Amino acid sequence: DAGVIQSPRHEVTEMGQEVTLRCKPISGHNSLFWYRQTMMRGLELLIYFNNNVPIDDSGMPEDRFSAKMPNASFSTLKIQPSEPRDSAVYFCASSFSGSTETQYFGPGTRLLVL
Amino acid sequence: QKEVEQNSGPLSVPEGAIASLNCTYSDRGSQSFFWYRQYSGKSPELIMFIYSNGDKEDGRFTAQLNKASQYVSLLIRDSHPSDSATYLCAVLTGFQKLVFGTGTRLLVSP
Repeated sequence: DAGVIQSPRHEVTEMGQEVTLRCKPISGHNSLFWYRQTMMRGLELLIYFNNNVPIDDSGMPEDRFSAKMPNASFSTLKIQPSEPRDSAVYFCASSFSGSTETQYFGPGTRLLVL
Repeated sequence: QKEVEQNSGPLSVPEGAIASLNCTYSDRGSQSFFWYRQYSGKSPELIMFIYSNGDKEDGRFTAQLNKASQYVSLLIRDSHPSDSATYLCAVLTGFQKLVFGTGTRLLVSP
């Protein structure tokens, strides 16, 4: 079975540009999580969807970040405009049903904002 | 106080020894506890989870939970160099949010 799929795997962009990260969860999973990982702050939850509905977006750093899940098999995380401090690895994870279940992580997107 | 705290390490152990990784958490309403392993440049992968006080064993891995002390640990017996990675403790808080520690880097020397 395919795991969580993320694209792109690497992204280098210039400050001020729009960045869109994509995620396809594991088929049959109804919960999707976006995380950001940095050396300083570790792995932080940005937003969590259940049945395509955002449940907890308290981790979204500011209005420059937005996330959507138009259907059960696709989600996007958008940063507009991007800033150098957004440089991090962004992981998408999915689970069968919410935070109480095991989360399976995608390979991540390494973002560098110059 | 951080919600989930881990010593960043590195924790160095010789091959064949027992590696002991520790984690403390602040939310007494926390329900479930997870250990993830993350190799450099890779994504976290689940090793074990534990819900009840006591020990839970899975192969060379043992998770220990003490809710009264708000403490969870992971023991790795017969350590291999391939166990060298960062180990992330994750806690499902009373608000149903999975919070990760910053991880402990383990180095197993041959």
